[in-house]
Amino acid sequence: NAGVTQTPKFQVLKTGQSMTLQCAQDMNHEYMSWYRQDPGMGLRLIHYSVGAGITDQGEVPNGYNVSRSTTEDFPLRLLSAAPSQTSVYFCASSYGQGGYTNEKLFFGSGTQLSVL
Amino acid sequence: KQEVTQIPAALSVPEGENLVLNCSFTDSAIYNLQWFRQDPGKGLTSLLLIQSSQREQTSGRLNASLDKSSGRSTLYIAASQPGDSATYLCAVNTNAGKSTFGDGTTLTVKP
Repeated sequence: NAGVTQTPKFQVLKTGQSMTLQCAQDMNHEYMSWYRQDPGMGLRLIHYSVGAGITDQGEVPNGYNVSRSTTEDFPLRLLSAAPSQTSVYFCASSYGQGGYTNEKLFFGSGTQLSVL
Repeated sequence: KQEVTQIPAALSVPEGENLVLNCSFTDSAIYNLQWFRQDPGKGLTSLLLIQSSQREQTSGRLNASLDKSSGRSTLYIAASQPGDSATYLCAVNTNAGKSTFGDGTTLTVKP
C-alpha cells in the first residue's frame, strides 16, 4: 500500500513549456485534489475531483488542467509554464466526496517545480 | 471567503513543556477541521480531524478542540519532545469539498 504517489519529485521548466505532474493513489479514494504551497500563502486548492469523470476548479485554477479518467489517477497539466507557477505541488486524496464525509486527507510527498 | 489564521507563526520551547497552537477561521459554516503536521521537504500528515458537531479529539499526547461559534481551534501538545519539531497546519473543510489551510506554526522543541 503505497498511499499517494507523486512524480516527479523535482522539475525545472523553461517559460512556455508544458508538462504533466502525475498523482496516483492505491487506496480506492473517490476524492482527489491538487494544491500548491507558496511561502506566506499557505496551501491553495487548484483543482479537485469527487470521482472518475468529475472535476471542478479550486481557488487558483488558471494555467492548469486536470482530468480524472480512473479512480486511481489524477494528473495535473501545466499548459504553458510561467515563472509564477514556481511552487511546491501536492496531491491529496480521501475516502468519500471530500467535504461530504469526515475522512482524513492523505497527501503525497510533493513536486518541487521551478519555471525559469 | 473563508480565511484561516494561525498564531504564532513560530514557536520555540524547551523539551517537556506543554504548548498550545491556535487556529482561527472567519466562516463558522464548516464541515470539519483537520490538524496536520509537515516536516521539511515532506508532505502533510493528518493528525486529528474534528467534525463540526464535536468539541475535541485526542490522539496520544495531542488534543484538538473546536469552538465553531467563535471560529477557533486549538492543538494542545503535552510533554513536548524534539521529535515534535515540525510545522503544524490547520485546515477547515466546507461541505463543498474544499479545504482552506492556514499558513502554519513552525514549532521547535529544544533538547
